[in-house]
Amino acid sequence: NAGVTQTPKFRVLKTGQSMTLLCAQDMNHEYMYWYRQDPGMGLRLIHYSVGEGTTAKGEVPDGYNVSRLKKQNFLLGLESAAPSQTSVYFCASSYLKSGSSTDTQYFGPGTRLTVL
Amino acid sequence: AQRVTQPEKLLSVFKGAPVELKCNYSYSGSPELFWYVQYSRQRLQLLLRHISRESIKGFTADLNKGETSFHLKKPFAQEEDSAMYYCALSPRERGNKLVFGAGTILRVKS
Repeated sequence: NAGVTQTPKFRVLKTGQSMTLLCAQDMNHEYMYWYRQDPGMGLRLIHYSVGEGTTAKGEVPDGYNVSRLKKQNFLLGLESAAPSQTSVYFCASSYLKSGSSTDTQYFGPGTRLTVL
Repeated sequence: AQRVTQPEKLLSVFKGAPVELKCNYSYSGSPELFWYVQYSRQRLQLLLRHISRESIKGFTADLNKGETSFHLKKPFAQEEDSAMYYCALSPRERGNKLVFGAGTILRVKS
């Protein structure tokens, strides 16, 4: 199993350009997440999905859009990139667990994005 | 609001010394607490969770609801423990969302 994979690994954009980051998981997980990691701020949730066809906003959703057309894929889009979006982006997935406990999140390797 | 605070950006200790990575949280409900770790050139991964009450790689963490803390401890640090450590809180809502602290870099010197 590859687990959680992310494409691309690195990308440099100019201000105003658009791009899509792809996340794929082969663990049949219901839940998927997009985070950004910035120095001194930890990981902050951008958007998440609790199932195919559903998405929801996280803590820092502005400037991003997402889609979950297939259960195994979760796409993160930047319509008009800004320098403030320079960051490392992590995708994660987790299992839908019954009961009140929270399941482990499994992370991808990250995408390093620079916006000039 | 849910918040996780890790007051130390960097903790540097010698091999064999005890380690304590601090984590404090604010949440009005009954959260679940986790420690995630990111070793150099590796993915972020779960280290331990408070409901398991287990020791992983010699690390333990006890949830102190009175002090709203979940400090990570290890009696004798090893060089391979050097990594970035994140404390995270789950409010037990649908979606398994996590709120992360800013992280602490642990450097174990020989």
